[in-house]
Amino acid sequence: AQTVTQSQPEMSVQEAETVTLSCTYDTSENNYYLFWYKQPPSRQMILVIRQEAYKQQNATENRFSVNFQKAAKSFSLKISDSQLGDTAMYFCAFMKTNDYKLSFGAGTTVTVRA
Amino acid sequence: DAGVIQSPRHEVTEMGQEVTLRCKLISGHNSLFWYRQTMMRGLELLIYFNNNVPIDDSGMPEDRFSAKMPNASFSTLKIQPSEPRDSAVYFCASSLIGTDYGYTFGSGTRLTVV
Repeated sequence: AQTVTQSQPEMSVQEAETVTLSCTYDTSENNYYLFWYKQPPSRQMILVIRQEAYKQQNATENRFSVNFQKAAKSFSLKISDSQLGDTAMYFCAFMKTNDYKLSFGAGTTVTVRA
Repeated sequence: DAGVIQSPRHEVTEMGQEVTLRCKLISGHNSLFWYRQTMMRGLELLIYFNNNVPIDDSGMPEDRFSAKMPNASFSTLKIQPSEPRDSAVYFCASSLIGTDYGYTFGSGTRLTVV
């Protein structure tokens, strides 16, 4: 089984500032996918960003970007220009290629302060 | 597209009763995943189907849990008899395996067994 570790249970950030969430994972696989999901108080799970392990270029989606360090098995999420609507729990997730099952970390609660 | 639709949104039942959770996939998706979310255990995969066939049910906690996919667009998760420790949020998610490695989640069913 793959292990995904999010070491920060909670983080707080001032509106318009930047926050970085950490995620590490343990795998012996070479091909896999990594994801960040957002779960706001409405509890809907929303895909934020996805990274294919074979791609060296870090994925970016508007204000969200990742720092993917394959050798270190690290996959951090940076939220730039934080907005109040970014307040949510954020989950890092791992999927082996051709396995299709997502393994989730424990989550990091992000609170954006006005 | 209406997305993945789960019903009911909330369910409160007495211990020992049968509970059925429902999920309608996104049209054209070929895979369906049931997850359970609790404070203690986070997000756990219970079972997943590909083309209506159960592929991996190793996460189903015990025989009280059963899942079916009677057609390509609909699935049920049944708990009989229910117990207080089954209280959780149950999510289903669908995906088009082979084309896209992302899931689309439903909004979840919050189950409370008293």
